[in-house]
Amino acid sequence: AQRVTQPEKLLSVFKGAPVELKCNYSYSGSPELFWYVQYSRQRLQLLLRHISRESIKGFTADLNKGETSFHLKKPFAQEEDSAMYYCALRGTGFQKLVFGTGTRLLVSP
Amino acid sequence: EAGVAQSPRYKIIEKRQSVAFWCNPISGHATLYWYQQILGQGPKLLIQFQNNGVVDDSQLPKDRFSAERLKGVDSTLKIQPAKLEDSAVYLCASSFGLGEKLFFGSGTQLSVL
Repeated sequence: AQRVTQPEKLLSVFKGAPVELKCNYSYSGSPELFWYVQYSRQRLQLLLRHISRESIKGFTADLNKGETSFHLKKPFAQEEDSAMYYCALRGTGFQKLVFGTGTRLLVSP
Repeated sequence: EAGVAQSPRYKIIEKRQSVAFWCNPISGHATLYWYQQILGQGPKLLIQFQNNGVVDDSQLPKDRFSAERLKGVDSTLKIQPAKLEDSAVYLCASSFGLGEKLFFGSGTQLSVL
């Protein structure tokens, strides 16, 4: 069974501080991992996916198969990064996308 | 491009009543999803369509929930009868195909009293 765990409900940092949003997963095969973000009064949208290996809005995430983790990182947080972040996993064969419970990031000035 | 359209935005009903939600996906998107998001939880897939066929409805409570996508475009999700625990945001999403990027609608917030 696929499972995604985001241990922190809320992460509060000051502007300019580094940010790491934790995501751990459980899946026996080779998963595809994603980070989705929902800004205030906006729709849920894709932030990045591990196969793209890209940096979006300064965020990066590396898939660590040994630790079954896909943590989201940004070296210097900005106030506009304040949002709800969801880690999601899709199994092989286009299985359904399973979401974690989300972490609210609050960046204070 | 126009996004995924959902209506209504809000709905308040009493338990045991019926309710229906409508979704219009992005033009050309073959895959359509309905997710349920209960407060404090992540979205949970209820049903996934590929054109007008069901790909996955394993988590749909079929005794009270039903969904259709008759012409492979618009979709409706119905709850009959509603229970208190159905209070949630119902999200529709679409993608060009299986395994492609999902685009979400604004959701319908349902309150069952």
